[in-house]
Amino acid sequence: EDQVTQSPEALRLQEGESSSLNCSYTVSGLRGLFWYRQDPGKGPEFLFTLYSAGEEKEKERLKATLTKKESFLHITAPKPEDSATYLCAVASGYSTLTFGKGTMLLVSP
Amino acid sequence: KAGVTQTPRYLIKTRGQQVTLSCSPISGHRSVSWYQQTPGQGLQFLFEYFSETQRNKGNFPGRFSGRQFSNSRSEMNVSTLELGDSALYLCASSFGGHEQFFGPGTRLTVL
Repeated sequence: EDQVTQSPEALRLQEGESSSLNCSYTVSGLRGLFWYRQDPGKGPEFLFTLYSAGEEKEKERLKATLTKKESFLHITAPKPEDSATYLCAVASGYSTLTFGKGTMLLVSP
Repeated sequence: KAGVTQTPRYLIKTRGQQVTLSCSPISGHRSVSWYQQTPGQGLQFLFEYFSETQRNKGNFPGRFSGRQFSNSRSEMNVSTLELGDSALYLCASSFGGHEQFFGPGTRLTVL
């Protein structure tokens, strides 16, 4: 059974204070690791797909990396508008995604 | 390109009733997946449809069912509602691979 564990559960940062979110996974045959951002009351917004260890993707202040056992979402110089819940998911079968519980990020001005 | 749309956005039902939720995928996407999101369990996979066929099913009771039409639009139905069915129900579409794009969700409250 695929499992995804995200840490920390919640993270509070000051504006400009860089940090990383962790996503550890166990999966039988990784077909992709996905990062999403979710704002309160809204559906998850797709951020990145990573397919193989060593791969990196960047978008504005966010950078996602992947190893054989975990993925990191690095947030550089965050702004208050980066406050959201960040979800990690893995795919091992058809279009089924297994999600972690998420990291709730709050960036204070 | 229009995103995934879900209707209705909010629903209030009472125990024992049934409910039908609707999802229109992104144009050209043939796969539609449904998820239930609750504060305690997070996002849990319900089922996935591709070209009108259920391709995969999560670990939910038979009260939860779905279908997909020839235009890729999908519906899910929950019969004999229970209090624990209160959740945000999310629909996601993909072209056929794993990158899924989510709709805004339907917030179901069961009283």
